[in-house]
Amino acid sequence: DIVMTQSPDSLAVSLGERATINCKSSQNILYSSDNKNYLAWYQQKPGEPPNLLIYWASTRESGVPDRFTGSGSGTDFTLTISSLQAEDVAVYYCHQYYSSPYSFGQGTKLELK
Amino acid sequence: QVQLVESGGGVVQPGRSLRLSCEASGFTFSRYGMHWVRQVPGKGPEWVAVISHHGRDKYYSDSVKGRFTVSKDFAKNMLYLEMNSLRPEDTAVYHCAKVQGAVGAPGPADYWGQGTSVTVSS
Repeated sequence: DIVMTQSPDSLAVSLGERATINCKSSQNILYSSDNKNYLAWYQQKPGEPPNLLIYWASTRESGVPDRFTGSGSGTDFTLTISSLQAEDVAVYYCHQYYSSPYSFGQGTKLELK
Repeated sequence: QVQLVESGGGVVQPGRSLRLSCEASGFTFSRYGMHWVRQVPGKGPEWVAVISHHGRDKYYSDSVKGRFTVSKDFAKNMLYLEMNSLRPEDTAVYHCAKVQGAVGAPGPADYWGQGTSVTVSS
């Protein structure tokens, strides 16, 4: 089974500053036949289900602000928020859909400094 | 617009059964696979099961394999999760979610329902 490990567990960033969240998979999740990384990022706010931000490691979902950027390949991935806004305070999860059982990271709680 | 509405949750004793339902609308149900994902409040999501767009392929997490069964009713645009031999550790909010890719194409869950709460306790 693929284990997803995020770092840090929590992060405090000032408004307008950059936030960086890392995710590491225990196995390669780059599928050679289509050259795609089967990695997604979700944002979750209290009382709501997760909201898809990024898929294929770097493709922004429709409607997601361009301050959100996904990068990485293979086993190491990063979600960057270029200029933190108050509405970005949430918990962020990475998720692999490369192979069953699909799995999520433990989450990174992003707060305002 | 895509809508997913879960129902069927409740309080149930260990060892008993429960069937969750998910009513899907706003998209062609037969073209998309569907997930079940559960989440304990304050914890991260845990993937439970996925069913292919045509309903013939099903995959489960190790923690529910052999106890839970996912199915689709195409006539009613309904997704189900039959849960047997329930354990206290199955207590969670259960969400249904649509697979992003159509007709077998892979992809993450792009639309999620609000969830239905299941509590397994004596």
